Amino acid sequence: AQKVTQTQTSISVMEKTTVTMDCVYETRDSSYFLFWYKQTASGEIVFLIRQDSYKKENATEGHYSLNFQKPKSSIGLIITATQIEDSAVYFCAMSITGNTGKLIFGLGTTLQVQP
Amino acid sequence: EAAVTQSPRNKVAVTGGKVTLSCNQTNNHNNMYWYRQDTGHGLRLIHYSYGAGSTEKGDIPDGYKASRPSQENFSLILELATPSQTSVYFCASGTANTGQLYFGEGSKLTVL
Repeated sequence: AQKVTQTQTSISVMEKTTVTMDCVYETRDSSYFLFWYKQTASGEIVFLIRQDSYKKENATEGHYSLNFQKPKSSIGLIITATQIEDSAVYFCAMSITGNTGKLIFGLGTTLQVQP
Repeated sequence: EAAVTQSPRNKVAVTGGKVTLSCNQTNNHNNMYWYRQDTGHGLRLIHYSYGAGSTEKGDIPDGYKASRPSQENFSLILELATPSQTSVYFCASGTANTGQLYFGEGSKLTVL
């Protein structure tokens, strides 16, 4: 069965520092896609970044990057130079049965960025 | 402008009543999805669609129906609402080739 686990319930960091959020996944599929989404205080859910399982290089998008460790079934999200507005809940997700958009989500990690 | 819009944004219903949550997307995506979000469970897939006229069951379809009358519109229907269906519901659209989903603002449903 597919599963996505985020062990960090909440993280608090100081502004302008770097934070890493952990995510491990389980799947028997040889090809899959991993995502990180952000949910703001208003409830809005926004796509941040995607990693394709067949790509060895880590994805980057602005001040977001991924640490993809396939042997460990791990996909960490790294946010550099954090800002107050990065405070949100971050969800890791995995697509199953190919790239159909049927996502399995982790329970999320709440990030609080302190001034 | 928001490309995925949901209505109503807030709804209070009575047990046994019928509830329809509507979703409209202007992304011209083939795929649309309904998720519910609950504390401790995260986001769970209820129904999804690959195009007009199609609906598929997600992971937790019991007690819900879906309708996709057009490319743009996807509805979630609770024929006999129960208090356990109190939740925040999110609609999303996406394309099969990227897997990236675009979410609506969410609809908060309270069933009394």
